[in-house]
This record gives sequence, C-alpha cells and structure tokens, in this order.
Amino acid sequence: AQKITQTQPGMFVQEKEAVTLDCTYDTSDQSYGLFWYKQPSSGEMIFLIYQGSYDEQNATEGRYSLNFQKARKSANLVISASQLGDSAMYFCAMRDPGTGTYKYIFGTGTRLKVLA
Amino acid sequence: GAVVSQHPSRVICKSGTSVKIECRSLDFQATTMFWYRQFPKKSLMLMATSNEGSKATYEQGVEKDKFLINHASLTLSTLTVTSAHPEDSSFYICSARDREGRHYEQYFGPGTRLTVT
Repeated sequence: AQKITQTQPGMFVQEKEAVTLDCTYDTSDQSYGLFWYKQPSSGEMIFLIYQGSYDEQNATEGRYSLNFQKARKSANLVISASQLGDSAMYFCAMRDPGTGTYKYIFGTGTRLKVLA
Repeated sequence: GAVVSQHPSRVICKSGTSVKIECRSLDFQATTMFWYRQFPKKSLMLMATSNEGSKATYEQGVEKDKFLINHASLTLSTLTVTSAHPEDSSFYICSARDREGRHYEQYFGPGTRLTVT
C-alpha cells in the first residue's frame, strides 16, 4: 500500500539558516509524483515543489529544493535562508497513480517554527 | 493562475440543519475535484473524489448520504453536509486537478471552517 511518513512532528530553525524536513514514502509503482505543500495558520494549502519519479535532477523552486533519493525512497524538503514567514505546517504528499484519479496520499505533517 | 475558491470561509449552523460548501476553479477547468477534512493539528483526510458529470467516489468510512457531493460543471463542485451534528465540525478543504497541468497537481481552496452547535 502507498504510504507517506513524516517523522518530525515539529522543528525549530533560526532565521536565515537552512532546514531539512524529512519525508519517506512507500510505493510499488514505478511512476509516481511527490509534492510538498505549506499550510500557514490561515489554513490554505500552498504548493511548493514537485518531484517526478523519473526526474533525474532534484527539483528546485527558489529557496525550496527537494533532496530526492529514490533508492532510499526519501524526498526531503530543504528550505534555505529561513524567514519568519516560513513558520507553518508542511505536508509531503504522493500522487497515487494506481486509482486513475491521481488522488494524493498525505503525510502527517511537520510544524516548522522559525526563530528570530 | 490556478486559483480555487471556496465559499463560505466560515459557517456556524445548528444541529440538524444542512450546510452547502462550494468549490470553484476560477481560471482553469477541473474535471476532478477532491474534498478533504482536516481535524485540528492533523493531516488532511480525503473524503471523496468528484468527477464532473458523474457520481463521486467516496473513501472508505465516509457516509455518502451524509456528505453529498455534486460536480455539475468543470469549475464547480459542492459538498453538502446533511443533518449536521457537532461531530461534523471541522475544516473542509477542496482541491481541483488542473487537467492541463503537467504533473496532475492539485490546487487547493482556502478551506471552510464548519462549526455545528
């Protein structure tokens, strides 16, 4: 069965430093997609970054990068130069191709607090 | 681009009444929309997948007669919580899949906070 695991319920990082949020996944499919979303206290889900299973290079979007290690089935999010506005809940998700609906499977999330 | 709206953002209703939540994709067509429920400090739980013009597919354990979903057009899906009870109080979020999107990404609405008194 498909599964996403985020083992860090909470993380602290000093402003301007980098932080890595862990995500491991389990799937028997060869083709899959991995996403990271940010959820601030307002509740909206903000798309951050995408990594396809066949992408050879790690995805990057501004200060966000995804450390994709396929053999280890990990897709960690790296936020560089943390800002106070980065404080939020972060969810790792996998697109489930098996059903044909491309629904997501979410991890339990990591709450990040950036300290001034 | 890729904006999804939800209405209302907050609603308080009395026990036993029904509440309708709308989800609209504003600048793209969404053949598939998803409805999630989120409890405080928890992850998103998928309730159902809604396809335009067909019946919704509900996840295991979700009562289809209680959570009515209608996907009448490529830009609108509605979730109706029927005969609401206090235990239905939650944060409901919809998302829409951009059928033109390269990665089948989902774009999320801002959510609706439902409180049943």
